Amino acid sequence: SQTIHQWPATLVQPVGSPLSLECTVEGTSNPNLYWYRQAAGRGLQLLFYSVGIGQISSEVPQNLSASRPQDRQFILSSKKLLLSDSGFYLCAWSVGDSNSPLHFGNGTRLTVT
Amino acid sequence: GEDVEQSLFLSVREGDSSVINCTYTDSSSTYLYWYKQEPGAGLQLLTYIFSNMDMKQDQRLTVLLNKKDKHLSLRIADTQTGDSAIYFCAESTGYSTLTFGKGTMLLVSP
Repeated sequence: SQTIHQWPATLVQPVGSPLSLECTVEGTSNPNLYWYRQAAGRGLQLLFYSVGIGQISSEVPQNLSASRPQDRQFILSSKKLLLSDSGFYLCAWSVGDSNSPLHFGNGTRLTVT
Repeated sequence: GEDVEQSLFLSVREGDSSVINCTYTDSSSTYLYWYKQEPGAGLQLLTYIFSNMDMKQDQRLTVLLNKKDKHLSLRIADTQTGDSAIYFCAESTGYSTLTFGKGTMLLVSP
């Protein structure tokens, strides 16, 4: 069966520090991969998605970037964190087309101080 | 444009039925989904309905779809305290991925 791992679960970082969040999927090949941010207002904001290695689409211009160095690995990065980057970051995967259901990881709670 | 609307809160007593409502705007949606998010966790896929169906039942969950009014509902029978969570409605529009509502917080009191 497919599983998704996301780490770390919680992170406290000072303003201006770098960020690296990692997500890996097991049990499937060539998944679509996604990064979402969930702010305190609860809504989900799609940040990046990838349909294949090296293919990244950015939905919102901001202080973050994403990379997909391997088929089942998706990394969210920042060179210098801002206070506004605080939030709950969720990785998700799907297979098939854009109508397919998403399967989410357990999320990373990022607090920028 | 794409927009999914949900009421923000719902409070019920244990044992009652809960009905969470959702409206969407894209008439070309193929699938509509319900997700559950418990505190501090990711979203869990609960159920989904294909757009050519009116109803789907899965144990205590019943999904009703009114395609004419673009209205989707999730009914939870015999609601338990463990059902307390945020419930998200989502539609597939053929764009990059699903479009989510802002979520309905369900609070179940004993």
